[in-house]
Amino acid sequence: IAGITQAPTSQILAAGRRMTLRCTQDMRHNAMYWYRQDLGLGLRLIHYSNTAGTTGKGEVPDGYSVSRANTDDFPLTLASAVPSQTSVYFCASSPSGGAVDTQYFGPGTRLTVL
Amino acid sequence: GQNIDQPTEMTATEGAIVQINCTYQTSGFNGLFWYQQHAGEAPTFLSYNVLDGLEEKGRFSSFLSRSKGYSYLLLKELQMKDSASYLCAVRDSDYKLSFGAGTTVTVRA
Repeated sequence: IAGITQAPTSQILAAGRRMTLRCTQDMRHNAMYWYRQDLGLGLRLIHYSNTAGTTGKGEVPDGYSVSRANTDDFPLTLASAVPSQTSVYFCASSPSGGAVDTQYFGPGTRLTVL
Repeated sequence: GQNIDQPTEMTATEGAIVQINCTYQTSGFNGLFWYQQHAGEAPTFLSYNVLDGLEEKGRFSSFLSRSKGYSYLLLKELQMKDSASYLCAVRDSDYKLSFGAGTTVTVRA
C-alpha cells in the first residue's frame, strides 16, 4: 500500500509559469488537504476537499486552485507562479474529514519559483 | 482563527525527558494533535487529545487542559532518533487543523 504519493518530488519553476502538483491516495479517504510549509510559519492550509466533487478554501488560497474529480486524486494548480510561492507543499488525507480522524501526509513537493 | 505557540528549539541529552509546551487561543476546539517531523520528511501522527488529561503511548505522552488552552508533549527515555520537529495542531469547529510553527528537538549523546 503506497498511502499518499506526490509528484514531482521537487521542481524549479520560472515565475509566470503554470504548474500542477499531483497528489494521489489509495486509502479511500474522503477528505484531502493541501498545505504549504515555510520556515518559522509551520504548515498552513491552502485548500481542502471533504469529499469527491467538493472543495473549500483554507487559510492561504490566493494564487492556487484545486479540483477533486474522484476520491483518489487532488491536484493543486498554480496558475501563474510567483517567487512567494516557493515552499514545500504537503498533501494530506483523512478518512472522514469530520469527527475523530487523523490526517496522513504525503512526502511533499519542494517548489522553487525564480 | 487560531493562535498556537510553542518553543522554537529544545536540546536534551540521550536518556533524558523533554516536555514541549503548546498554548493556543481558538475560536472553536475539536481536539489537539501532535505530529513528529524529521528533517526533509512528512509529518507523522503521534497523539490526539480531545478531553482533559494525559494520554500515554509508550515513551510519548500528551496532556491537555482545555480551560487553560494548554497542552504538552512529554518525550521520555530520549533516543537519538527522537531528534525532529514536533508540531502542535488544533482542530477547529470546522474540523480543520491549524499548526504551530513547530519545536525542533535536538538529542545529544
